[in-house]
Amino acid sequence: TQLLEQSPQFLSIQEGENLTVYCNSSSVFSSLQWYRQEPGEGPVLLVTVVTGGEVKKLKRLTFQFGDARKDSSLHITAAQPGDTGLYLCAGETPGGYNKLIFGAGTRLAVHP
Amino acid sequence: GAVVSQHPSWVICKSGTSVKIECRSLDFQATTMFWYRQFPKQSLMLMATSNEGSKATYEQGVEKDKFLINHASLTLSTLTVTSAHPEDSSFYICSARGQVNYGYTFGSGTRLTVV
Repeated sequence: TQLLEQSPQFLSIQEGENLTVYCNSSSVFSSLQWYRQEPGEGPVLLVTVVTGGEVKKLKRLTFQFGDARKDSSLHITAAQPGDTGLYLCAGETPGGYNKLIFGAGTRLAVHP
Repeated sequence: GAVVSQHPSWVICKSGTSVKIECRSLDFQATTMFWYRQFPKQSLMLMATSNEGSKATYEQGVEKDKFLINHASLTLSTLTVTSAHPEDSSFYICSARGQVNYGYTFGSGTRLTVV
């Protein structure tokens, strides 16, 4: 069974601070996806990283895929209250029958 | 962009009854659909994967006779929770993946409450 360990599970910070969320596994994934989910809604895709060592930026968010494609990180610079929400990493299993396995999620609260 | 419609968004049912949740891909053909369950303050847990025209593949620990999945067309999959009990109360989310667009598009979820 492939597992994704996501940390931290909770993060409460002040506006303007930086933060990093980690997603680790002992398994290799075809891709690693990051989602954001609002209460009562489905997750919304932020980014997909596919190549080992890949770095993608989305405004103040930086996503990195580990060289071995087993881990990933999400870094937010100068967090804002609007960043508050649940962030989920999800690994796509390799092979013919791909599926997404989710990490436990990080609940972020950014206080003004 | 790809859109997945999930219906209903919320449902309340009595214990012992069955509830059907629909998941439709509106602008693409979904060769594979996935059903997740999410309990409060927790992440999404994959329940089953269904390919159009085939039987669903259930994850370990998920009762296939309780959670009936039908994927009869390339745009529709349904999840039926049979003989629902209060412990089945949860947020159910579907996801669809197309033949051309290999990305995963999620529905908006269904809040099921069994009383």
